[in-house]
Parts: sequence; structure tokens; C-alpha cells
Amino acid sequence: DTGVSQDPRHKITKRGQNVTFRCDPISEHNRLYWYRQTLGQGPEFLTYFQNEAQLEKSRLLSDRFSAERPKGSFSTLEIQRTEQGDSAMYLCASSVGDHYGYTFGSGTRLTVV
Amino acid sequence: DAKTTQPPSMDCAEGRAANLPCNHSTISGNEYVYWYRQIHSQGPQYIIHGLKNNETNEMASLIITEDRKSSTLILPHATLRDTAVYYCIVRVYGNNRLAFGKGNQVVVIP
Repeated sequence: DTGVSQDPRHKITKRGQNVTFRCDPISEHNRLYWYRQTLGQGPEFLTYFQNEAQLEKSRLLSDRFSAERPKGSFSTLEIQRTEQGDSAMYLCASSVGDHYGYTFGSGTRLTVV
Repeated sequence: DAKTTQPPSMDCAEGRAANLPCNHSTISGNEYVYWYRQIHSQGPQYIIHGLKNNETNEMASLIITEDRKSSTLILPHATLRDTAVYYCIVRVYGNNRLAFGKGNQVVVIP
């Protein structure tokens, strides 16, 4: 499978715990994006990497959120001290260049209890 | 990026062409029209994009009006697997933030 892979698919955590999600983009794609989607809404942009550099961050990405792409390949998104409002689907996407559509993964569904 | 307006939902008959409208009256000259769809419990899937000429690929056709203020995505022969939320997005190259909106819930009916 050469698509975008996200792990885990589902995560249930207690409020206040830290969680980390992983995204493996398509190997030749140098651009990687994280989005968040809550029920009934379209995805919202969180952050963007070109290779290993994090070039854009949304104001939605509070200081409890951190994303990395250490070697320009896979990426991780960590949420510290989770809150119930963090419950959402976290989507990763990748692309090659700027002129093409993004390929999204199936997402990680986070439930904070 | 310019905002888009789509109907919140629509039904289409299986086997018929599905015409999905999108208004983007404030689009600027360097903004492209993108279409994605999201099948339940999956990530969005890129369908097609265009600037001013009509575009066609194996999934769909995109018709953009001459004044570029609206567009129509055409699924030529809708199947039950086309049931999804369809998002019309306007984007300028260099803007890495796709503004999805709430989309159009399309249900293909047998």
C-alpha cells in the first residue's frame, strides 16, 4: 500500500494524559499536513511541513500541541494534557509540490474521556 | 482565499449524472477551484481541480463558468459508492491551508 498511513486508527485516553500520533506519508512526497476534524465539520488546518521544516502553524495549534518531522519522512503529532475538547479526528495528508491534490490518510480518531 | 457556497445536501439517482454546484463569487484571478470528497470514516479524497478551463479525469468533470463565479462537479454515472460529503475549495498556489467548509452531503439512491 503506497498511501498515507496513520497510527493508531483509534485512541481513547483520559483527560490530562499525553498522546502521540504517527503519520507516514507517501515516500516521494516532500510536503506533509495535519488537519483536525470534529463531528459535522470539515477538516481544519493545523500545520504544514516541507521536508523537515515546519513552515506554518494554525492558531488552533495551542502550546499543548507539537508536531515534528525529524528526517523529512514520517511525522508525529503530540497532544499534552489532553482535554475533552481535543476529541476529534486527526488527519494527515501529503503532497508533492504545490500544484497537485493532497493525499489524505484515514485519520486517527481521538476520544478524551 | 475566496469562500465557497454549496448546498448542504442533495440526492442523486444511481446510474445518472450527478451535478454538484458550487458558488465562489469572490474568486480572484489566481485562485483555483478544487474538489475533494470524504466517504464516511475515511480521509478526504482529491477529485479534480481547475483554473478556468473545464477539466476531466477518470473520476469526474469540472465545469467552471466563464466569469469563474461558479462551478459544477459532474459525476457522469453515479454509483452507491459515490455517496460522500463533497467539498468545493478555492485555493491559490502557495497557500497550504485548504479551507474545507461543511461541504455537500451527496446521497446516491438506488
